[in-house]
Amino acid sequence: DIQMTQSPSSLSASVGDRVTITCRASQTINNYLNWYRQKPGKAPKLLIYAASSLQSGVPSRFSGSGSGTDFTLTISSLQPEDFATYYCQQSYSTPGTFGQGTKVDIK
Amino acid sequence: EVQLVQSGAEVKKPGESLKISCKGSGYSFTSYWIGWVRQMPGKGLEWMGIIFPGDSDTRYSPSLQGQVTISADKSISTAYLQWRSLTASDTAMYYCARRGDSSSSADYWGQGTLVTVSS
Repeated sequence: DIQMTQSPSSLSASVGDRVTITCRASQTINNYLNWYRQKPGKAPKLLIYAASSLQSGVPSRFSGSGSGTDFTLTISSLQPEDFATYYCQQSYSTPGTFGQGTKVDIK
Repeated sequence: EVQLVQSGAEVKKPGESLKISCKGSGYSFTSYWIGWVRQMPGKGLEWMGIIFPGDSDTRYSPSLQGQVTISADKSISTAYLQWRSLTASDTAMYYCARRGDSSSSADYWGQGTLVTVSS
């Protein structure tokens, strides 16, 4: 299996902060990298697909970048609803393994 | 509107069998892969396996193969996740998710089914 490693595992931030989460794959996955947000008690929601494409309906404060093995999710101005856990996922091969998650909480 | 609606929460005893479901609507059910994702209490997301309802082609995560069975009934647009003999370690939230056209991402998710296995 391809292993996905996110950093940091958790972070504390304030509303309006710029937040960056990184994800590294154990082998090249081209741009088959997706990002999800999961609020407590809810199903995950797709934010970014193909490393940098914004899913329909997702606010433009979310952006993604990277290719190969190293990827980044950026939230330009953190909003109250963004305090949640974020997961990267590779869809280059089956199973589409997830990173371990990054929890964003209120500073 | 694309929707995936899962069956309700289950409480089972170790050794019992279980089959949970995921009904798709608002799209061509036979044209998209449907997968199952496990989330153990307080833990992250884990793909268990995936099925293409059009021809029932099924792939499993190597770590879970043999422990569960994934199936689909395209006549009623429903996918299933089944256990023959549950253990306490199967206690988790289970999500179904559609694998979309965009980078094979999981673009739509069910609401989740909580499975609790306890004696």
